[in-house]
Amino acid sequence: SQQGEEDPQALSIQEGENATMNCSYKTSINNLQWYRQNSGRGLVHLILIRSNEREKHSGRLRVTLDTSKKSSSLLITASRAADTASYFCATDPLRNTPLVFGKGTRLSVIA
Amino acid sequence: GAGVSQSPSNKVTEKGKDVELRCDPISGHTALYWYRQSLGQGLEFLIYFQGNSAPDKSGLPSDRFSAERTGGSVSTLTIQRTQQEDSAVYLCASSLRGVQETQYFGPGTRLLVL
Repeated sequence: SQQGEEDPQALSIQEGENATMNCSYKTSINNLQWYRQNSGRGLVHLILIRSNEREKHSGRLRVTLDTSKKSSSLLITASRAADTASYFCATDPLRNTPLVFGKGTRLSVIA
Repeated sequence: GAGVSQSPSNKVTEKGKDVELRCDPISGHTALYWYRQSLGQGLEFLIYFQGNSAPDKSGLPSDRFSAERTGGSVSTLTIQRTQQEDSAVYLCASSLRGVQETQYFGPGTRLLVL
């Protein structure tokens, strides 16, 4: 079964607005990563947050991790049309199995 | 330096034929992964190579799927007797050491089985 589940499945916002995507997972993890995918091709790594971290920033991205709730959120501030993509969370279960990806959130930023 | 490359970019084949998909990881990366992504879906793990260890094949959907990694570098994913349900984008990724690290993805091979 999926380890990570993103929510919502799809999100449409106006340029300049903030976009928030959530990820829930089931088992304990070492870290959680967020990736972006354009046009169904290769994924690009955005940010990694470790299980002992609660918040991390990278440019317009802000990621939070709540291990007690087994959830993470990705916030993109001041969105741009170029942010239109699918966003996936991926978890690394403690048993050291390969990353497990969720089904993604499809973000559309309308200019 | 060069990223992960995959070939071909697109492959159209007839049901029942065998196909080979190639992945060139980033030089020096010891871990290599294959995933499958059906239209509008998430990534489905297929197989994972780590150094000289036996590969983790737990994600391969059937015995028609196999993969090898020669010399710790290039990998080939082979699908025998292709079926229409094998149509998907096949993505390869590599990481420096292992599963807890950032994965760098190739552009994928889009496979269509007619």
